[in-house]
Amino acid sequence: DTEVTQTPKHLVMGMTNKKSLKCEQHMGHRAMYWYKQKAKKPPELMFVYSYEKLSINESVPSRFSPECPNSSLLNLHLHALQPEDSALYLCASSPPGGVLAKNIQYFGAGTRLSVL
Amino acid sequence: AQSVTQPDIHITVSEGASLELRCNYSYGATPYLFWYVQSPGQGLQLLLKYFSGDTLVQGIKGFEAEFKRSQSSFNLRKPSVHWSDAAEYFCAVGAINTGNQFYFGTGTSLTVIP
Repeated sequence: DTEVTQTPKHLVMGMTNKKSLKCEQHMGHRAMYWYKQKAKKPPELMFVYSYEKLSINESVPSRFSPECPNSSLLNLHLHALQPEDSALYLCASSPPGGVLAKNIQYFGAGTRLSVL
Repeated sequence: AQSVTQPDIHITVSEGASLELRCNYSYGATPYLFWYVQSPGQGLQLLLKYFSGDTLVQGIKGFEAEFKRSQSSFNLRKPSVHWSDAAEYFCAVGAINTGNQFYFGTGTSLTVIP
């Protein structure tokens, strides 16, 4: 099973709302990632968690708050977003060691977020 | 710094024709290279990967890619394109010195005409 599950598939929120995106994998992967993807653009890395600890934060605004409560679950908490934050948010996971261990990233189908 | 270039923003081919998507990378050491495909509104699916060894790698859905160190290229090929291959294709390089990070190219959008 190489499945990364993201919920919800679609989300519409106002600029004053608080919402969360969820990502789950049961492959035993210990690295998990959040990417943001605008239309016709490549994914942009936001955060990397390695062994449930935040290892990379690509200067993402604080209105995005990641959380990794356990090795299978990754959340992205959203608050006071702007319309320009509308995008496809992708989650990925990889086995321990990531690229250093020649491992690949497995992607979920994404959450399509619209901020009104 | 690592970078990936996909020179072709958009390619149109006829069904049954051959396909080659170009990818050039810039990286100081031996790169780990990947091709991913993304159908509209979907996540990314791995087509194939190169870590070392044989420079011609086979992937899923009949795709192959060839690593050419002298040209810093990792071009994706398919001998006969099917209508279902219409999608966005991303080349990516994995960077050893930055741990788990991938660097994606800007993507090539493939249209297949009957």
